[in-house]
Amino acid sequence: DAKTTQPPSMDCAEGRAANLPCNHSTISGNEYVYWYRQIHSQGPQYIIHGLKNNETNEMASLIITEDRKSSTLILPHATLRDTAVYYCIVRVRDNTGKLIFGQGTTLQVKP
Amino acid sequence: DGGITQSPKYLFRKEGQNVTLSCEQNLNHDAMYWYRQDPGQGLRLIYYSQIVNDFQKGDIAEGYSVSREKKESFPLTVTSAQKNPTAFYLCASSIGDREHQPQHFGDGTRLSIL
Repeated sequence: DAKTTQPPSMDCAEGRAANLPCNHSTISGNEYVYWYRQIHSQGPQYIIHGLKNNETNEMASLIITEDRKSSTLILPHATLRDTAVYYCIVRVRDNTGKLIFGQGTTLQVKP
Repeated sequence: DGGITQSPKYLFRKEGQNVTLSCEQNLNHDAMYWYRQDPGQGLRLIYYSQIVNDFQKGDIAEGYSVSREKKESFPLTVTSAQKNPTAFYLCASSIGDREHQPQHFGDGTRLSIL
């Protein structure tokens, strides 16, 4: 299973872009990268996922390097409500479809 | 609104008692999952179901049971055999027919022992 590595914590000023990095150097060719976030005492919220091309939706952008060994989640204009733990996940390649959440990055958005 | 509803939000269990956690989804998803989250830790898969009337054990199924009689419902029973049931329980669902489709989660049930 591809393992992901994320910094344990990051700060971002409100209104600025938050760039959250993730390393997944052992990712296989057909494994997708998913990003979720979890606010305390709530269920994880799906943000975005991608395979090799950059992706954008109403919440964020996902930039995947050409060699697919790392990716960056970009929140273009962070707000205080974006303070959460952000998880970068490479999906387990078995028939369960289970997600393995690591320790994630705690993003603190400051006024 | 479409989504996943878990109830109750908080649940207390007495010693030797079975309790059932509800999970309902109106997303028309085929696959449903139950995870357990302990403080400061990641999620661990308890059971999953990829289609109605079928389910499989996950990594930590001992002391738990499930049923999948309806597409929209996947209740989890925490039995008295589960010796350390205090945790945050999360239900998720996904379309299921395409491996890369994301899972969507409910807001969880926090179970505590009296």
